Amino acid sequence: ILNVEQSPQSLHVQEGDSTNFTCSFPSSNFYALHWYRWETAKSPEALFVMTLNGDEKKKGRISATLNTKEGYSYLYIKGSQPEDSATYLCAFSSSNTGKLIFGQGTTLQVKP
Amino acid sequence: GAVVSQHPSWVICKSGTSVKIECRSLDFQATTMFWYRQFPKQSLMLMATSNEGSKATYEQGVEKDKFLINHASLTLSTLTVTSAHPEDSSFYICSAQKRESYTDTQYFGPGTRLTVL
Repeated sequence: ILNVEQSPQSLHVQEGDSTNFTCSFPSSNFYALHWYRWETAKSPEALFVMTLNGDEKKKGRISATLNTKEGYSYLYIKGSQPEDSATYLCAFSSSNTGKLIFGQGTTLQVKP
Repeated sequence: GAVVSQHPSWVICKSGTSVKIECRSLDFQATTMFWYRQFPKQSLMLMATSNEGSKATYEQGVEKDKFLINHASLTLSTLTVTSAHPEDSSFYICSAQKRESYTDTQYFGPGTRLTVL
């Protein structure tokens, strides 16, 4: 059974703090790793799709790294803002069929 | 672009009735749509993969006769929960891949909360 783990489960930070969370996934049969941002009552928003070992991607204050050999990805948020409050999901795929295996998510709350 | 809608956003029904959920890609054509469900405090779990004009592929443990999926066009897929029971109460969410996407990004709808009494 393929398993994707995210940690921590939840996180509370102050506005302006930088933060990061982890996604662990199987290191064999890797095809892609996806990160999504999911605000309450909205659709999950695609942040990154990462495919190559050593990939680093950035979108504004959010960045992500990928290590396929050891099976982990980090998501970093620099200078957190209240609008960053959301659940961040990672999802692993082992083929180009589009099938995604999701982690349980990390819920971030940024206090003003 | 890449907006996916889902309807209804929530539904309450009586045990034994059937419920249809629609998933539409509003501004792109989707070769493939996916249906997931999420039980409380659990991760999104893939139920089935739906390709336009062909039968859906169901994940292990998902009853195809209970969860009917129709993907009649490149912009619409429907999930019908037949003879719903309280244990089918869950959050159902769809996603769609663009027809010519090489990035494999899936665009999600906002989900449907189903409560079966």
